[in-house]
Amino acid sequence: EAAVTQSPRNKVTVTGGNVTLSCRQTNSHNYMYWYRQDTGHGLRLIHYSYGAGNLQIGDVPDGYKATRTTQEDFFLLLELASPSQTSLYFCASSDDIFFGHGTKLSVL
Amino acid sequence: GDSVTQTEGLVTVTEGLPVKLNCTYQTTYLTIAFFWYVQYLNEAPQVLLKSSTDNKRTEHQGFHATLHKSSSSFHLQKSSAQLSDSALYYCALSGTGNYKYVFGAGTRLKVIA
Repeated sequence: EAAVTQSPRNKVTVTGGNVTLSCRQTNSHNYMYWYRQDTGHGLRLIHYSYGAGNLQIGDVPDGYKATRTTQEDFFLLLELASPSQTSLYFCASSDDIFFGHGTKLSVL
Repeated sequence: GDSVTQTEGLVTVTEGLPVKLNCTYQTTYLTIAFFWYVQYLNEAPQVLLKSSTDNKRTEHQGFHATLHKSSSSFHLQKSSAQLSDSALYYCALSGTGNYKYVFGAGTRLKVIA
């Protein structure tokens, strides 16, 4: 069965902290995505990738870096976390976007 | 740029009555695929419907939607809402060959007894 696994499921950090969110897919999909979900804004694309070593800029990239190390693994990095980055983060892989269960990040 | 508009943030409907969730779009893609996603409480969004054919009705789990390129719309409908339909619904588009998916802001459907 197709799967996208995110870790951690919950994360609390302080302003200025360094955070890495991890995502692994077992779908053999080329494309992977990072979205953030906020009430009133829906799902907004941060970064995406079509393969190892590739990175495409999404619609809300400021403050985020991402790296695709393998076909399976896609990481989202917040190097100086801010309270505005408190959100629910979803990783996904194509086809037709298959989502992981999300990571709830709180920046205090 | 490309955008998807869902005008209602919350739709409340009584069980057994029909429901319609609105979705309109703007896009520069020549060939596009449209989606409705449903997200139940504390779960991930999942695909409910998909269509890329103009004026063709697509159905799944009692819901249906028809892509109308003439009016740039892809509204979601159901003839008889159920309590279990209460969820967050997203409309989204993707240009064929372009794997960037654009989502609307979402509509929360609340079905009451």
